[in-house]
Amino acid sequence: GAVVSQHPSWVICKSGTSVKIECRSLDFQATTMFWYRQFPKQSLMLMATSNEGSKATYEQGVEKDKFLINHASLTLSTLTVTSAHPEDSSFYICSPEIGGPGGYTFGSGTRLTVV
Amino acid sequence: KNQVEQSPQSLIILEGKNCTLQCNYTVSPFSNLRWYKQDTGRGPVSLTIMTFSENTKSNGRYTATLDADTKQSSLHITASQLSDSASYICVVSSYSSASKIIFGSGTRLSIRP
Repeated sequence: GAVVSQHPSWVICKSGTSVKIECRSLDFQATTMFWYRQFPKQSLMLMATSNEGSKATYEQGVEKDKFLINHASLTLSTLTVTSAHPEDSSFYICSPEIGGPGGYTFGSGTRLTVV
Repeated sequence: KNQVEQSPQSLIILEGKNCTLQCNYTVSPFSNLRWYKQDTGRGPVSLTIMTFSENTKSNGRYTATLDADTKQSSLHITASQLSDSASYICVVSSYSSASKIIFGSGTRLSIRP
């Protein structure tokens, strides 16, 4: 159980464009979804916590207007990187809150490259 | 300050050999400790999860230990295989709502044939 599908696995986009990353829970309902960012050779850093039907909570230093999070249903949460810049290039990973606080299962990740 | 420190930062061993990765933490109040394997370009995959009362937990060739008194954990890999090449991340969860989970920086393990 607890299968998380993240899509796309990789994406290349031009500076100034927007990219949407989807995270679906396939066999369970996720009230809360955590979104992480990981730079090369570094560990995961929590960006924001989304709750179904309400506004996301962003960590300090993460621009909420740049990283739009939508959690409209219990099986789908999306992260949209708006007006992407090369410094947004990173590995983005979602994790539903199951098995305890902070998540337990992770999506397969999305490699974003902004050129 | 809640922290999770892993050592070594990187490790290279020959195929078939054993190795042990270390994780020291200062997280309080402690809830559980998990070890994850993360292949390059993939999301972390859980190996073990240990609560306060558990000392040892195995998952195939992976064996994790936990000493809650000294706040140390180790992950022992037996008879390493090339597919074990990955980053291994120690993650500690806290009951405190202010700091739910804390990630270690990981150990990058490379297995050489």
